[in-house]
Amino acid sequence: DVKVTQSSRYLVKRTGEKVFLECVQDMDHENMFWYRQDPGLGLRLIYFSYDVKMKEKGDIPEGYSVSREKKERFSLILESASTNQTSMYLCASSPGQGAQETQYFGPGTRLLVL
Amino acid sequence: AQKVTQAQTEISVVEKEDVTLDCVYETRDTTYYLFWYKQPPSGELVFLIRRNSFDEQNEISGRYSWNFQKSTSSFNFTITASQVVDSAVYFCALSGVETGANNLFFGTGTRLTVIP
Repeated sequence: DVKVTQSSRYLVKRTGEKVFLECVQDMDHENMFWYRQDPGLGLRLIYFSYDVKMKEKGDIPEGYSVSREKKERFSLILESASTNQTSMYLCASSPGQGAQETQYFGPGTRLLVL
Repeated sequence: AQKVTQAQTEISVVEKEDVTLDCVYETRDTTYYLFWYKQPPSGELVFLIRRNSFDEQNEISGRYSWNFQKSTSSFNFTITASQVVDSAVYFCALSGVETGANNLFFGTGTRLTVIP
């Protein structure tokens, strides 16, 4: 079974703090993704990576950056957290490139920025 | 542009009733894939099914069935004899080959509550 884990289930941070969300997958998948989920908006793609040290912007990259130093690990960074970044963050991975690839998700991190 | 519409925001049914979750999509891609995911209260999205645009055969898996109709751009999901464990948010998603890089476009989800 594919296993995608996220470092925290719940996080509370202050405005202006730098926040790191970590994601690890154990299936040697090429692609990794970060989404945020908000009520009424579904899931929106923030960034994705198709290889180590490679990254591509998704639909809503502003205010975020990412890091992929190892194949199994993909980090989402909020450089200076703001209240409008309060959300559920979901990490996913998929075996390779292509529209047919199924994405497998982690349990999510609920972030509250005060 | 890719778009997925799940018009039903919330549905409540009594246990053992059948329920259908609607999904309508828009794409200019000729080859594309459709997905359904389940998100239980624990938060993790669980993959249920993937369907490609050239395969309109309906799929049945236990109490779950999917009806793909290209003519109406719909990929509906039916749960037969619903159970309390089916309570979750269900997402329909679309990925287009021409769009590239397996970007998934999600609908806004349908929250299903099964009442015992």
